[in-house]
Amino acid sequence: GQNIDQPTEMTATEGAIVQINCTYQTSGFNGLFWYQQHAGEAPTFLSYNVLDGLEEKGRFSSFLSRSKGYSYLLLKELQMKDSASYLCAVRDRSNDYKLSFGAGTTVTVRA
Amino acid sequence: SQTIHQWPATLVQPVGSPLSLECTVEGTSNPNLYWYRQAAGRGLQLLFYSVGIGQISSEVPQNLSASRPQDRQFILSSKKLLLSDSGFYLCAWSTGTGRGGGEKLFFGSGTQLSVL
Repeated sequence: GQNIDQPTEMTATEGAIVQINCTYQTSGFNGLFWYQQHAGEAPTFLSYNVLDGLEEKGRFSSFLSRSKGYSYLLLKELQMKDSASYLCAVRDRSNDYKLSFGAGTTVTVRA
Repeated sequence: SQTIHQWPATLVQPVGSPLSLECTVEGTSNPNLYWYRQAAGRGLQLLFYSVGIGQISSEVPQNLSASRPQDRQFILSSKKLLLSDSGFYLCAWSTGTGRGGGEKLFFGSGTQLSVL
């Protein structure tokens, strides 16, 4: 399977910026996704990267470096509602194009 | 618009009892359907996926089975639950096989299963 690593927990202050890193190992990379999951709820799609570089969507941005097997999700102007788990997921051609998920990073935003 | 329904939201079952979780998708045809399990503090584990009626692929050996009796219906079952079956179960769908790259998963609201 794929090895997907991301930090377990991060804490930040309201209005600040937080960067969540994700590293992966795969033999047939075919895209990387970030999902947001509030406690007890379903994950919701945040971003998708397949080429190197930065994708920006409002307060959220995601970066990918395929040569380094590395991505990050950047959350700007943090709000209390951003407190959630953030899941990194990788699609692999050698795994029949299925998504493999990391364990998630729990972000706590404090006032 | 497409919607996915999953029920029940919570379930408490004794060890050895049967299980049936149902998931239906509306607003799309021939979706790919998935069952995931999420244990506390762990990532989403793919249990089963289906690309069509009656076509089920199992990802890990386990005490569970899945069926797809209709195009937009996916059922997760067990004949006898184990303590280790406890977890948060998520149904999901996608429009394609993933070979196009950008097909994302849309998740149901989840079922919190506690086996006691």
